[in-house]
Amino acid sequence: SQQGEEDPQALSIQEGENATMNCSYKTSINNLQWYRQNSGRGLVHLILIRSNEREKHSGRLRVTLDTSKKSSSLLITASRAADTASYFCAGGTSYGKLTFGQGTILTVHP
Amino acid sequence: EAGVAQSPRYKIIEKRQSVAFWCNPISGHATLYWYQQILGQGPKLLIQFQNNGVVDDSQLPKDRFSAERLKGVDSTLKIQPAKLEDSAVYLCASSGPRGSNYGYTFGSGTRLTVV
Repeated sequence: SQQGEEDPQALSIQEGENATMNCSYKTSINNLQWYRQNSGRGLVHLILIRSNEREKHSGRLRVTLDTSKKSSSLLITASRAADTASYFCAGGTSYGKLTFGQGTILTVHP
Repeated sequence: EAGVAQSPRYKIIEKRQSVAFWCNPISGHATLYWYQQILGQGPKLLIQFQNNGVVDDSQLPKDRFSAERLKGVDSTLKIQPAKLEDSAVYLCASSGPRGSNYGYTFGSGTRLTVV
């Protein structure tokens, strides 16, 4: 079963705009991770936030985690056409199991 | 460092045939995972190995799917016999020590088409 749901399912923006994707999860987690997948390729790890953290930054990425609401968000600032991809959130357990959501398809128009 | 290697890259088989996928994880990664990703969906965990022992295979259809990880390194995933609904991308991933911030490293996957 999937961990949760991502919102929106698809997002279309112009280059330079910010992109925000939300994720909700169902069970208790040790960490929450975000991955990116280009069409026909494997997943690439973007960022990991632990359950005792509320916010984390990495370059143009900002992730927040609200464990009381079982939700997370990924913000990509100043989007580029090369950011076009599918983005997945995944809840991680303490023993390493990772359960993915359904993903958000992001399209950034030049 | 080298990434997670998977082969073959693509495979087309007829239903009821058998197929096997191979994965070589990142050197030193004790944990190895096989995921199934159906088009338009997120990856679903099939099996998780810690060294050569199974940690979680609760979603592996054991009547037709099998997996092994000999010597705690390479792994193979087999489907026998295949069904049309097995058409998907099969992703292998490995992870380092618990507590690391680097998440999983995924291979490029094997795209299976069952006709």
